[in-house]
Order: sequence, then structure tokens, then C-alpha cells
Amino acid sequence: EAQLVEAGGGLVQPGGSLKLSCVASGFSFSGSAIHWVRQASGKGLEWVGRIRSKANNYETSYVASVEGRFTISRDDSEKTAYLQMNSLKSEDTAVYYCSSPVCNSDSCYEEYWGQGTEVTVSS
Amino acid sequence: DIQMTQSPSSLSASEGDRVTITCRASQSISSYLNWYQQKPGKAPKLLIYGAINLQSGVPSRFSGSGSGTDFTLTISSLQAGDFATYYCQQSYSPPPWTFGQGTKVEIK
Repeated sequence: EAQLVEAGGGLVQPGGSLKLSCVASGFSFSGSAIHWVRQASGKGLEWVGRIRSKANNYETSYVASVEGRFTISRDDSEKTAYLQMNSLKSEDTAVYYCSSPVCNSDSCYEEYWGQGTEVTVSS
Repeated sequence: DIQMTQSPSSLSASEGDRVTITCRASQSISSYLNWYQQKPGKAPKLLIYGAINLQSGVPSRFSGSGSGTDFTLTISSLQAGDFATYYCQQSYSPPPWTFGQGTKVEIK
């Protein structure tokens, strides 16, 4: 069974940095993109960014609100994806989920999700 | 970026009721529309993908329809375990794959 497990969340001061990890098992990690989605307390879901597979040149994309501050990377040998978050702001406070998307001829969707890791940006 | 607008933002319903949630995209997204269910403290769960396709293991009382800009999630007979928040998401290239703001289904 596919599983994603996030780690690395915690309390960080504004302007600080934090690196989240997402460890995968039960599916072909190297052939899959990995997405990051976040959710502030009591709010909706926000798609943060993605990293594609080696076959797609590890292409990354980000939502405008984190572009230039967040970096997604991956280590296929460790079946792990990372979300490096720099210059953190209070509005980055949220639960961060990683997900594994699936795309076919006429649809793309987030099939598997981790349990989430909580990030709090506060002084 | 493509904007997704769900309505209503919340609704109250009883077990056995038929419930309909709508989602509108700011531009045509063909059938690249997914629906998720989220319960408090849990990760979202995929219900419907490609606008109309039921994810494996999801009860048949859930159904999706629509294409282009207007989409609908229908629960034919609401059950106790269906009280949750529902999100639509567009996955029409390129990223970001934006979500609607959510619809909270509460017990009447």
C-alpha cells in the first residue's frame, strides 16, 4: 500500500528556515511527481508546489506566494522529497502535506497523501 | 492562475438528504476537476477525478458531473460519515493546481 510520511515541522521565528521531508513507500517513487499542499488552521487547501520525476528533468513549479522562498527537491535513492522553506512569514503557518499525483490521458489528481506536518511561524 | 469558486461555503443537511455542491472555474478546464473529502485533523481523501470518475473504494452515492467551467458533486443519500468539508481542485496544466475554498457539510 502506498504511504507518504512527512516530518520536520515545528516552531520557527519569522525570517527563519525549515526543511520538511516526505518519505514514500509502496509505489514507484522515482517515476512519480511529488506535490506539497498546505492548510492554515481553519482554512482551505493551498497547492504550494511540485517536483516532477527525472524523466521530466526534475522540473519544479511553485505558487506565487512562495516563489523564491521555497525550494522542492528529491532524493530518489532515499524515496524522499524535501520542502526547503526560507524567509518564513507568519502567513506560512500551516499543516503541510505531501501528495503523489497521478496523471492519465484525461485527468490528473492527488491520489496519495501524507498525514501532514505542522509548521508554526511565530516569535 | 485559474480560480475555483465553490458554492455554497457551508450547508446543513440530514441523513438521507440529497446534497449538491457546485464548483466553477475561471476558465475552461475541460474535465480536469477533482473532488476531495476532508475530515477534521485528517488529510484530504480523493473522491472523484476527471470530473466524473469515482475513485476506487468510494461509495456509489457520490457522483460528479460537468465539464468546461461548471462542475457538480452530488451525494445521493447523505450518510453519517459524509459530514465533512469538500474541496474541488483543478489540475489543468500548467500549475498551480488550485483548490476551491471548500464546502462544509454539517448535520441539520
